[in-house]
Amino acid sequence: GAGVSQSPSNKVTEKGKDVELRCDPISGHTALYWYRQSLGQGLEFLIYFQGNSAPDKSGLPSDRFSAERTGGSVSTLTIQRTQQEDSAVYLCASSLALLPGANVLTFGAGSRLTVL
Amino acid sequence: AQSVTQLDSQVPVFEEAPVELRCNYSSSVSVYLFWYVQYPNQGLQLLLKYLSGSTLVKGINGFEAEFNKSQTSFHLRKPSVHISDTAEYFCAVIRTDSWGKLQFGAGTQVVVTP
Repeated sequence: GAGVSQSPSNKVTEKGKDVELRCDPISGHTALYWYRQSLGQGLEFLIYFQGNSAPDKSGLPSDRFSAERTGGSVSTLTIQRTQQEDSAVYLCASSLALLPGANVLTFGAGSRLTVL
Repeated sequence: AQSVTQLDSQVPVFEEAPVELRCNYSSSVSVYLFWYVQYPNQGLQLLLKYLSGSTLVKGINGFEAEFNKSQTSFHLRKPSVHISDTAEYFCAVIRTDSWGKLQFGAGTQVVVTP
């Protein structure tokens, strides 16, 4: 597609429920990233995928968070048993590769999650 | 530990005045440096990047930044701002030993007033 597409754009859920956030990267981009943007916390790295390599999950805040990328394209970020502190904007980005010359991230508009 | 420090959380500036946004980083290995901008209710977009070569890099919308290795800084400047430059600006770093992990600073909110 022309840009990085994320859905839903807004999600309100109750504490304890599971949520899934979807990211559709730019066609041909092999690298995909998830970040979290919350007030006072800036942009927090969560996870990235590069091709068929094992993802770097070092930024996931707890085992309630997981992400997968199917077929090297679409990615889903899942948050289980949501907590109020999970409320944030979840940003997805993609890039051509990890190499620095090609590693210019194109961001989606984000999914705003509100946990009541 | 925070690798990227943006020294100002908010910078008010009058239209047509110059602006400088400060960014310092810490790293034991070489880095590549970026500035991203987030306009209100929009996603982040790249302003400019430094990979190698000339330490003065020019980006979109009249912005430029200078890489200073000895001071570990990458300050962003614009000689004359417009109202439309009101946005949040993020400095970001990639360490050359961790290609995929783009680390962002906390952001600087620029508010341009007439």
